[in-house]
Amino acid sequence: QVQLVQSGGGLVKPGGSLRLSCAASGFRFSDYYMTWVRQAPGKGLEWVSYISGSANSSYHADSVKGRFTISRDNARNLLYLQMDSLRADDTAVYFCARDGRYSSTCYNSWGQGTLVTVSS
Amino acid sequence: EIVMTQSPATLSVSPGERVTLSCRASQNINSNLAWYQQKPGQAPRLLIYDAFTRATGIPARFSGSGSGTDFTLTISSLQSEDFAVYYCQQYNYWYTFGQGTKLEIK
Repeated sequence: QVQLVQSGGGLVKPGGSLRLSCAASGFRFSDYYMTWVRQAPGKGLEWVSYISGSANSSYHADSVKGRFTISRDNARNLLYLQMDSLRADDTAVYFCARDGRYSSTCYNSWGQGTLVTVSS
Repeated sequence: EIVMTQSPATLSVSPGERVTLSCRASQNINSNLAWYQQKPGQAPRLLIYDAFTRATGIPARFSGSGSGTDFTLTISSLQSEDFAVYYCQQYNYWYTFGQGTKLEIK
């Protein structure tokens, strides 16, 4: 069955960096777009970024553009989110999610989520 | 940005009742809409995509309808495990979520 297991996250100071990982299993990883979605404490869901199966295209929300970078290692079935220049409003639970096969659409499998706290 | 507006914010209902949740898009999104269920401390779960197609393993009591700007999620007979927060998401132009509707026990 599809499984997405996240790691990384934690407490970081403003301006700091963090890398999140998402290990995928149970499906052909390279066939699928992958996405990061975040949820600030007590708030709703916000799309962060997506990457195509072959990694030849990726996009980020305006709120993180230039600071966050999504990437993937298809040989190791791993998805990453490199987060730089972190701000207090980046504090959230971050979820990785499996997206569509041919385009980015909606998300039918999710990781367990990992909390990122940006605070001095 | 396409703004998704869900109503009501909170709905108090009893088990066994039929409920309808609404989601409105600020512009035409065709049928590019998904519904998710989220319980406290858990990841969201996909219920419906393409406005009315149930995701794998989702019970038939969940149904979606609508196109263009107005959409609904109907739960025909609420079960105890259905009390949760429900989000709609559009994927017609980039990706935005509604603010959620919380179903609570009356």
